[in-house]
Amino acid sequence: ILNVEQSPQSLHVQEGDSTNFTCSFPSSNFYALHWYRWETAKSPEALFVMTLNGDEKKKGRISATLNTKEGYSYLYIKGSQPEDSATYLCALTMDSNYQLIWGAGTKLIIKP
Amino acid sequence: DARVTQTPRDKVTEMGQEVTMRCQPILGHNTVFWYRQTMMQGLELLAYFRNRAPLDDSGMPKDRFSAEMPDATLATLKIQPSEPRDSAVYFCASGVTPSGRAQDTQYFGPGTRLTVL
Repeated sequence: ILNVEQSPQSLHVQEGDSTNFTCSFPSSNFYALHWYRWETAKSPEALFVMTLNGDEKKKGRISATLNTKEGYSYLYIKGSQPEDSATYLCALTMDSNYQLIWGAGTKLIIKP
Repeated sequence: DARVTQTPRDKVTEMGQEVTMRCQPILGHNTVFWYRQTMMQGLELLAYFRNRAPLDDSGMPKDRFSAEMPDATLATLKIQPSEPRDSAVYFCASGVTPSGRAQDTQYFGPGTRLTVL
């Protein structure tokens, strides 16, 4: 059974602080790693997709890194704002059949 | 601004009734996914299609659920008969794989909130 693990499960961060969380996945047969943001009562929105070991992606204050050899990805948020409050999901593709294997998410709550 | 649309947005029904949820993928997208949001499992994949052909529906209870794509602009998920445990938010997502690239992004619809009494 393939497992994508995310930690922590939830996180409270003071507004203005920076934070990061982890997605761990089996390193064999890796194909692509996706990060999504899922706000309450909305639908998941894509943030990044990474395919190569060492990839780094950035969108505003949010960035992500990928280590396919050891099987992890980090998502960083710099200077957290209330609008960053959401569940952050990572998802793995291990072959080219396009099916994503989803982690359970990290729920981020920004305290004003 | 192309979006995945889903109807209805909310559905309340009684146990035993048939429920049909519809999804219109983004024009030009050739893969469609049906997910169910559960408290325990997060996003649960029910079925997915590429070029209208079903590729995997192993996540779906076959005795009561069925998924189809009558044409490239419409995907349906049907539950018959519905049960209270089917209450959840059902998401449709679409994507494009011109060359079968697994790294292409999935775009999610707003979801259908189903309540079975």
